[in-house]
Amino acid sequence: DIVMTQSPDSLAVSLGERATINCKSSQSVLYSSNNKNCLAWYQQKPGQPPKLLIYWASTRESGVPDRFSGSGSGTDFTLTISSLQAEDVSIYYCLQYLSSPHTFGQGTKLEIK
Amino acid sequence: QVQLQQSGPGLVKPSQTLSLTCAISGDSVSTNSGAWNWIRQSPSRGLEWLGRTYYTSKWNYDYAVSVRSRISINPDTSKNQFSLQLNSVTPEDTAVYYCARRDWNRGLDYWGQGTLVTVSS
Repeated sequence: DIVMTQSPDSLAVSLGERATINCKSSQSVLYSSNNKNCLAWYQQKPGQPPKLLIYWASTRESGVPDRFSGSGSGTDFTLTISSLQAEDVSIYYCLQYLSSPHTFGQGTKLEIK
Repeated sequence: QVQLQQSGPGLVKPSQTLSLTCAISGDSVSTNSGAWNWIRQSPSRGLEWLGRTYYTSKWNYDYAVSVRSRISINPDTSKNQFSLQLNSVTPEDTAVYYCARRDWNRGLDYWGQGTLVTVSS
């Protein structure tokens, strides 16, 4: 199984500042057929299912604010929120969907400083 | 817009079978552009993918090793839904269970609302 490890486990950032969350996979999640990384980012608020933010490591889902961006390739990935808003307080997860079983990171809790 | 509506009991006794259903609107369970998944979430295990079914001229099934001997995911084309059965449950199976669509390009893009299932006598 591909193990996904996020860092940090929790993060406190001031409103308007940048937040950065990292995700590392135990092996490459690059899909050789299209040279894209099978890595997605999710936002989860209490009592709700995870919401898709980013797929293919860097493609923003329709309707997601452009302050959210994803980057990285191979085994190292980053989710960046360029200017933190109050509504961004959530837990964020990465997911690899290259192979079965699909595996999630342990989550990063983002709070306001 | 795809919507997934989950149904099923929130309390199951130990050793019995957990059964949940996920009704699909806005897509077909027989689509060839994705797969239909079950995931669970608990404080001890985090988000854990359990398995999926998908159609490619025949039905395919894929299960997590941790539950492979106890799980069954079945499509129902007449009702456009799919189901989860988990046998011989223990308190360790207590979790919020989600159904979700896996788009081949976008990952797990649409999720059900979640069902808290408690295993207790």
